[in-house]
This record gives sequence, C-alpha cells and structure tokens, in this order.
Amino acid sequence: DTGVSQDPRHKITKRGQNVTFRCDPISEHNRLYWYRQTLGQGPEFLTYFQNEAQLEKSRLLSDRFSAERPKGSFSTLEIQRTEQGDSAMYLCASGSGRAYEQYFGPGTRLTVT
Amino acid sequence: GNSVTQMEGPVTLSEEAFLTINCTYTATGYPSLFWYVQYPGEGLQLLLKATKADDKGSNKGFEATYRKETTSFHLEKGSVQVSDSAVYFCALSVTGANSKLTFGKGITLSVRP
Repeated sequence: DTGVSQDPRHKITKRGQNVTFRCDPISEHNRLYWYRQTLGQGPEFLTYFQNEAQLEKSRLLSDRFSAERPKGSFSTLEIQRTEQGDSAMYLCASGSGRAYEQYFGPGTRLTVT
Repeated sequence: GNSVTQMEGPVTLSEEAFLTINCTYTATGYPSLFWYVQYPGEGLQLLLKATKADDKGSNKGFEATYRKETTSFHLEKGSVQVSDSAVYFCALSVTGANSKLTFGKGITLSVRP
C-alpha cells in the first residue's frame, strides 16, 4: 500500500493557461474525491467518483473545471483558463469498504500569477 | 446543509498541558464525525473517528466523544507533546450523501517545550 499520490506537487501557471493534475488512489479503492483547500480554510468538496462514474459535483466546480476517472483507476482534474482565484491546494482522497474513511494524498499546490 | 464549526485559533500550549479543541456541527441526516490532522509539510491524516452517538474515538492519546444532544465532537488530550504541533480539522460525513467530508476551518496547535 503506497498511499494516495498526486502529481505535480506544485504548479505555477499564468492566468489564462490550462492545467491538469493527476491523482493515483490506493489500489482497489473504488471511491475517489477531489477537494480544494485555500489558506486558512478547511478542504472543500469538489467532486466524487465511484469507480469510473462521476456521481457528484459541487457548485464550486465551475464549467472551467473538468474531472475524469477513466477505467476507475487514476483521476485527472483539469482547469481551463485559470484565474487567480483558482490558486489553492487541490487534494485527492480515496476510500473503499467502510465508506466514511478517506485517505488523502499530499496535494497539488496551484499558484496562478 | 451540513457545517462544522471549530473554535478560533491558533492555540499555543506548553508541553504536558491539557488540550481541548471545540467542534460543533449541524447535519441533515445522521453524520459520522472525524478529526483529521495535518503535520507540517505532510498531507491530511485521519486521527480518529466516531460513527454513532456516545461513541468515543481515540488514537495517539487523543480522544473525542460523539455528543448528539449537544451536536459536539470536542478533541482532548491529557498531556500534549511538541510533536503534536499541527493543524487539526474537525469533519463530518453523512451516509447516503456519497460520504463526502465537510470540514471545519481547522485550528493550528503549537506546543512549546
């Protein structure tokens, strides 16, 4: 069990550029979550996958955001036309079985200049 | 909707002091309650959990009791150590709501030798 991994760990981009983040969950975990955390706040839910199906999206997830989980394994989160307000830590978590337990990755810190 | 309220921080204590971090919640449905911890430079880790009223979660000397009558889940430790310095998040999830987590803002604990 290698834990949840995320790539990249840090991303600096200019406003208007597109960025894509990757999350590799713990093997065999069928649930995968994306959260966003801004400075001084707790993580906020963005979206949820069960296997390859995206079952819930938060209102925080504007149409510039898209997430996928092909084949129910790794997931990607893409942000198009980034804005300075997108600067945050993007966290991925996975879970299985006892659904209330989620295991978090180290996060991807996005800075939009 | 669901929400978690944590006491304002930061908190600074001397080693071996008693710790209490307050957490109250509102939830539609029957929540499970959690404390997550984020050590400097590391990802979020589940510290303890309770899934029904009057349950006590415990781990690493920390305890929290699920109090339905006061909608609270206060975190306590009898004797803190310097290594407990971290950010602590209270969170809940509601079964049937895709078990997504709703977090409080977090509180920073600093323990001085």
